[in-house]
Amino acid sequence: QQQVKQSPQSLIVQKGGISIINCAYENTAFDYFPWYQQFPGKGPALLIAIRPDVSEKKEGRFTISFNKSAKQFSLHIMDSQPGDSATYFCAASERAGNNRKLIWGLGTSLAVNP
Amino acid sequence: DGGITQSPKYLFRKEGQNVTLSCEQNLNHDAMYWYRQDPGQGLRLIYYSQIVNDFQKGDIAEGYSVSREKKESFPLTVTSAQKNPTAFYLCASSIQAGRDAPDTQYFGPGTRLTVL
Repeated sequence: QQQVKQSPQSLIVQKGGISIINCAYENTAFDYFPWYQQFPGKGPALLIAIRPDVSEKKEGRFTISFNKSAKQFSLHIMDSQPGDSATYFCAASERAGNNRKLIWGLGTSLAVNP
Repeated sequence: DGGITQSPKYLFRKEGQNVTLSCEQNLNHDAMYWYRQDPGQGLRLIYYSQIVNDFQKGDIAEGYSVSREKKESFPLTVTSAQKNPTAFYLCASSIQAGRDAPDTQYFGPGTRLTVL
């Protein structure tokens, strides 16, 4: 059972368009929601993250929108560029004993056409 | 130049052989992780270690083994018991600043294992 459901599985966007990736969760114990970006043949890297007490966080062209009541969060990439073509993973973190546990979505493969 | 190194980048093995994947970090992180990545299946946790000489099974530990004798090293052995070992393997580390602190995982470049 996937605790963090991510959609779509793949996405094609034209250069300059907006890319939107959605994630949903059920566990209300999650209290930190990061997005990771992975280029082909590389390891993922943290892109942007949000806590549930904030409804939106923006860093450059990347924005996370968070809807606590709906238990959904999404990544928006404004003015999408071919260099944004990558796989994007949402994740959710909860306390686990004395530390934390990270639960991953299945990923979205984004292709930005020039 | 701090980071996580994984070697080799590509690895080929014959069916029935054990193989060990290397992961080293110089970030002084306490926690280390091994993930397996297959197309369409995201990142699946194999093993993780929060402290030297201690490690726990993740979601898909069967057919794998690890050791954590040094803080900076967390090698993964793929044994012959792993039925479908061909995959991209990722090692990660994190500070583990405690249960109230957000925890960023830093990933290595990965090792692509192919069983012939």
